Amino acid sequence: NAGVTQTPKFRVLKTGQSMTLLCAQDMNHEYMYWYRQDPGMGLRLIHYSVGEGTTAKGEVPDGYNVSRLKKQNFLLGLESAAPSQTSVYFCASSATSGRTGELFFGEGSRLTVL
Amino acid sequence: SQKIEQNSEALNIQEGKTATLTCNYTNYSPAYLQWYRQDPGRGPVFLLLIRENEKEKRKERLKVTFDTTLKQSLFHITASQPADSATYLCALRNAGKSTFGDGTTLTVKP
Repeated sequence: NAGVTQTPKFRVLKTGQSMTLLCAQDMNHEYMYWYRQDPGMGLRLIHYSVGEGTTAKGEVPDGYNVSRLKKQNFLLGLESAAPSQTSVYFCASSATSGRTGELFFGEGSRLTVL
Repeated sequence: SQKIEQNSEALNIQEGKTATLTCNYTNYSPAYLQWYRQDPGRGPVFLLLIRENEKEKRKERLKVTFDTTLKQSLFHITASQPADSATYLCALRNAGKSTFGDGTTLTVKP
């Protein structure tokens, strides 16, 4: 049982380049999330989705776009990367909020923008 | 605006002692509060949650309290071990979203 899988695990970009992070979960969860984690700043919510075909903005959405075309996948896109987007990105999923809302996290994707 | 504070970035204790971590929040009405553990280079792992109508929850050596009047949760690890060394994150959950504190890094010395 893989749980939540993120690809790629590491990536280096130049300013202005674009890229997509892929998150896949095999737990049939409705909810999926993208967080970024910077040193000393904890996890901040970028975008989230409450079901296939839906997306919503989180706390720090600027500079990012997301898509949830299939229930098991949640994509995070950077159209024009900036050094301020250097961070570790975590994807998470959870069952419907009527339960514990326990988040299952991936192992993270470390992005460096030069 | 909503604010979550985990008091003290780092906590150092001796093996066998009880570690107590604090999570305070303002301008928030969580349905429940969760605690996660994060090891270096890894994603957070869920430990336990407590609902707004609960005062205390226990799981093995872990105990969580929740005071909605004080807007505070305390997380206790009894009989601490070096293997408990990690960063512990509290998260407030409501309306399908979880908002995290910055975490407290616990070091348990043998």
